[in-house]
Amino acid sequence: GAVVSQHPSWVICKSGTSVKIECRSLDFQATTMFWYRQFPKQSLMLMATSNEGSKATYEQGVEKDKFLINHASLTLSTLTVTSAHPEDSSFYICSASMGLVNNSPLHFGNGTRLTVT
Amino acid sequence: KQEVTQIPAALSVPEGENLVLNCSFTDSAIYNLQWFRQDPGKGLTSLLLIQSSQREQTSGRLNASLDKSSGRSTLYIAASQPGDSATYLCAVRVSNTGKLIFGQGTTLQVKP
Repeated sequence: GAVVSQHPSWVICKSGTSVKIECRSLDFQATTMFWYRQFPKQSLMLMATSNEGSKATYEQGVEKDKFLINHASLTLSTLTVTSAHPEDSSFYICSASMGLVNNSPLHFGNGTRLTVT
Repeated sequence: KQEVTQIPAALSVPEGENLVLNCSFTDSAIYNLQWFRQDPGKGLTSLLLIQSSQREQTSGRLNASLDKSSGRSTLYIAASQPGDSATYLCAVRVSNTGKLIFGQGTTLQVKP
């Protein structure tokens, strides 16, 4: 089945530094990837939609200059948290879609636990 | 604006019981509805996907139903096992972009 790999699975960084998270589709080409954020004991909130070869579409309230998304190939999207602060500590999860196929399930990575000290 | 609600937020049952998790959504204009399982600190595992034109889907001990007109879905788990303990999330797909709106989840504990 379709596999989405996310790396790293956890990262601890100091306040003010930047962190890059990778999301790869291992056995299919993902024209669209999605980045979600999950706070403890809460549900997933969509941050942005990443389209290969074009600019990402951000949800309302998400700072595009803080959460930089790059979808340079059909199998890789990256999320960079710039100048991270403790309030950015969260669980970040990506998902991938095999094109705009509405009857296909979305596949998720295992998430990245970010802790900013 | 689409909102997804799951009830109950938490559920504890003895092993062997059959149980039902509920999911409701406010806008019936959905493409499909997907149920996921999330173990602590992990990503999401897709359990069942129901298209908007379908009424139910089954996989093993799991059965999901969809009543789009009333904005409801249920996930039925038969003969629950301790390994079923996890958080169950439902999500509706609201556009052809694949965007999902998630409920808050139901955390299930199955006691041996």
